[in-house]
Amino acid sequence: DAKTTQPTSMDCAEGRAANLPCNHSTISGNEYVYWYRQIHSQGPQYIIHGLKNNETNEMASLIITEDRKSSTLILPHATLRDTAVYYCIVRAGSSNTGKLIFGQGTTLQVKP
Amino acid sequence: EAQVTQNPRYLITVTGKKLTVTCSQNMNHEYMSWYRQDPGLGLRQIYYSMNVEVTDKGDVPEGYKVSRKEKRNFPLILESPSPNQTSLYFCASSRRGNSYNEQFFGPGTRLTVL
Repeated sequence: DAKTTQPTSMDCAEGRAANLPCNHSTISGNEYVYWYRQIHSQGPQYIIHGLKNNETNEMASLIITEDRKSSTLILPHATLRDTAVYYCIVRAGSSNTGKLIFGQGTTLQVKP
Repeated sequence: EAQVTQNPRYLITVTGKKLTVTCSQNMNHEYMSWYRQDPGLGLRQIYYSMNVEVTDKGDVPEGYKVSRKEKRNFPLILESPSPNQTSLYFCASSRRGNSYNEQFFGPGTRLTVL
């Protein structure tokens, strides 16, 4: 699985968009980009995933660059409850172990 | 409500006293997995199961056992717990393990071994 690089921490004002970047320059053609978040030692929560097209769901949008070497998770209107550690994970859909490799993630602090 | 449940949520025990952490999912998922989370080490996979009666070791299986006799349950067994197994444990499930399906995580079990 390709390695990912994320900033250690970010701040965002409540009500504004939070843009969380992720670098995955060694991603392979069959690897998906997943985003999960973990709110204060709770179980990680799935947010969104994509292969090469931009994706949007009720929680967030995922923008993947054309060369697929980086992506951005967008929380359009951040709230205080979005304060969490956000993990960008790259994994092949045909994984033999189903394992998700969680790095250090980005700690997002949403401030009033 | 679709969910993964774990019991107990908190447990303090002593070295050598066998314990079982239960995990159950109500989504008819084929794939289930156990992780442990430790400060500075992130989440590491302990064991996983692609389907009933099919289990395999993850990255840190030493000191743990699992079984998958029913699709919904995937208990984690510590036959002789030691202090280095003090950790936060998460169970996860997904429709299939070898596909792009999202994984659902349980609320976690905080285990302390004295």
